[in-house]
Amino acid sequence: DVKVTQSSRYLVKRTGEKVFLECVQDMDHENMFWYRQDPGLGLRLIYFSYDVKMKEKGDIPEGYSVSREKKERFSLILESASTNQTSMYLCASINSAGTGDFGPGTRLLVL
Amino acid sequence: GENVEQHPSTLSVQEGDSAVIKCTYSDSASNYFPWYKQELGKGPQLIIDIRSNVGEKKDQRIAVTLNKTAKHFSLHITETQPEDSAVYFCAASIGASGTYKYIFGTGTRLKVLA
Repeated sequence: DVKVTQSSRYLVKRTGEKVFLECVQDMDHENMFWYRQDPGLGLRLIYFSYDVKMKEKGDIPEGYSVSREKKERFSLILESASTNQTSMYLCASINSAGTGDFGPGTRLLVL
Repeated sequence: GENVEQHPSTLSVQEGDSAVIKCTYSDSASNYFPWYKQELGKGPQLIIDIRSNVGEKKDQRIAVTLNKTAKHFSLHITETQPEDSAVYFCAASIGASGTYKYIFGTGTRLKVLA
């Protein structure tokens, strides 16, 4: 089974802080994704990466950036956290057949 | 733009009964349709998937059907058990094959009543 881990389960940050969310997978997958999950809106794609150093914008990239320096690690960065970025953040790792799983999620509260 | 509609948003069934969740997608190029189960406090877990060249797939008590003409796909859970209680999400691949981008439905909260 794919093991996808996220650095924190819960985070509380203040408006304007820089926030790093890290995701690590141990199955050598090329494809990694960051989603945010909000009630009534389902999962929305923020950024994704098909390879090291590669990144592409998803549907809601504004206010976020990402980093993929190593294949197993995909980081989501909130340059200046805002209250509307309070959400559950989910990382996913997908293999070349298109199947994969999500990490446990990071619940971020921005005050 | 592309979207996936999922119904119902909540579903309550008696233990032992069947549950059906339905999704409709808009992108004709979608060719991969996974279903995820999300338990409280956890990330979504893949429970079953189907590709466009197959009309039905079954795994024990769970089955998925796909009607490409109508752009419908459904999740069927038979002999439901309390541990089936969770939020279920459908998804459809979008864009060119091999991009692994998915668009998700808004979820169905399933409650299995003992």
